[in-house]
Amino acid sequence: NAGVTQTPKFRVLKTGQSMTLLCAQDMNHEYMYWYRQDPGMGLRLIHYSVGEGTTAKGEVPDGYNVSRLKKQNFLLGLESAAPSQTSVYFCASSSTVPTEAFFGQGTRLTVV
Amino acid sequence: GNSVTQMEGPVTLSEEAFLTINCTYTATGYPSLFWYVQYPGEGLQLLLKATKADDKGSNKGFEATYRKETTSFHLEKGSVQVSDSAVYFCALSDKSGGSYIPTFGRGTSLIVHP
Repeated sequence: NAGVTQTPKFRVLKTGQSMTLLCAQDMNHEYMYWYRQDPGMGLRLIHYSVGEGTTAKGEVPDGYNVSRLKKQNFLLGLESAAPSQTSVYFCASSSTVPTEAFFGQGTRLTVV
Repeated sequence: GNSVTQMEGPVTLSEEAFLTINCTYTATGYPSLFWYVQYPGEGLQLLLKATKADDKGSNKGFEATYRKETTSFHLEKGSVQVSDSAVYFCALSDKSGGSYIPTFGRGTSLIVHP
């Protein structure tokens, strides 16, 4: 059982480049989330989805876009990367009841 | 809105010492409460949870009790090991705005020395 899988695990981008982070879950969860983790800041919610075809803004959505075309996948896009987007990105999923969230292993992104 | 406040770290202990990491919360409804652990280079994983007042969650020697009257969910372990060195996150899940969106504290780093 793979759980939540994120690709890629590491990436270095130049300022202004674009990229897409992929998150896939095999637990049939309705909710999916993208967080960024920065030193001293904890986890900050970027965007989330409460079901296939839906997305919503979280705490820090600027500079990011997301799509949830299939229930099992949640994509995070950076259209024009900036050094301030250097971070570790985590995807998570959960069911429609207040149970725990399941996390991927993270993507370490560096923008130079 | 919902929020979680946990003690700042790092918390540095010697092996076999007693651990307490404080966590308090604010929620509009009646939340479920969680502790997650993050080992270096990994994602968060559930350590324990409690879904109603006075419930005690426990796992791997860690425990926490849901205290509604003090809105707290403090994490404790009687005797820590070097392998417990990690970052610990307190979190809640509450139906805010119609959806169960987890709210996390900022995390507390635990360093255990031999």
